Amino acid sequence: QSVLTQPPSASGTPGQRVTISCSAGSSNIGRNAVNWYQHLPGTAPKLLIYNNNQRPSGVPDRFSGSKSGSSASLAISGLQSEDEADYYCAAWDDSLNGWVFGGGTKLTVL
Amino acid sequence: EVQLVESGGGLIQPGGSLRLSCAASGFTLSNYWMHWVRQAPGKGLVWVSRVNGDGSTTSYAASVKGRFTISKDDAKNTLYLQMNTLRAEDTAVYYCARSYNYGSGSFAFDIWGQGTMVTVSS
Repeated sequence: QSVLTQPPSASGTPGQRVTISCSAGSSNIGRNAVNWYQHLPGTAPKLLIYNNNQRPSGVPDRFSGSKSGSSASLAISGLQSEDEADYYCAAWDDSLNGWVFGGGTKLTVL
Repeated sequence: EVQLVESGGGLIQPGGSLRLSCAASGFTLSNYWMHWVRQAPGKGLVWVSRVNGDGSTTSYAASVKGRFTISKDDAKNTLYLQMNTLRAEDTAVYYCARSYNYGSGSFAFDIWGQGTMVTVSS
């Protein structure tokens, strides 16, 4: 069972906007920044969002992140077929003295 | 090109040992925190261990503490994970990842390897 809670699945049609939530406690998201990763099976995970809402160079602005209290969310607008992947939130946990990930959300583009 | 390449995975019996390697290129390991993250079949990503740039600080997930040891060889620019007393539940793809400091205490795993599969089974 993951420390951070994400919905196991999400879906949308091309062009739609989809949001993925991530929630947990005060020892992780409540105190520390949230990062988001995109993972296609058999490939290296890719950093999408760091520090709650910052995009690394090369990540399209269709991807955006936000955080409020002990919850965070990833939004993907203008959904494309290549966005079909697993998405993970992550944060440093002060109590565990380690990084924690969400259980992952499998995004399906219908 | 900045790159991480893992190796050393394979099939190992329960109770056995295995050492994973992660060769870095395009950057110097000693300038970054480095991590191991694993993904069991059909499951999500789980952080395993980290080591700081000069190798003086390490930490581990509770599930591997006392059994796994993270280390690095700066001369070879290579990260290692020594895994002892392996269990079936350690079966996973193991990824090494670089942690980049984006400032103001904000870190994120910006570079990942392709992973190496470890299967613990008799």
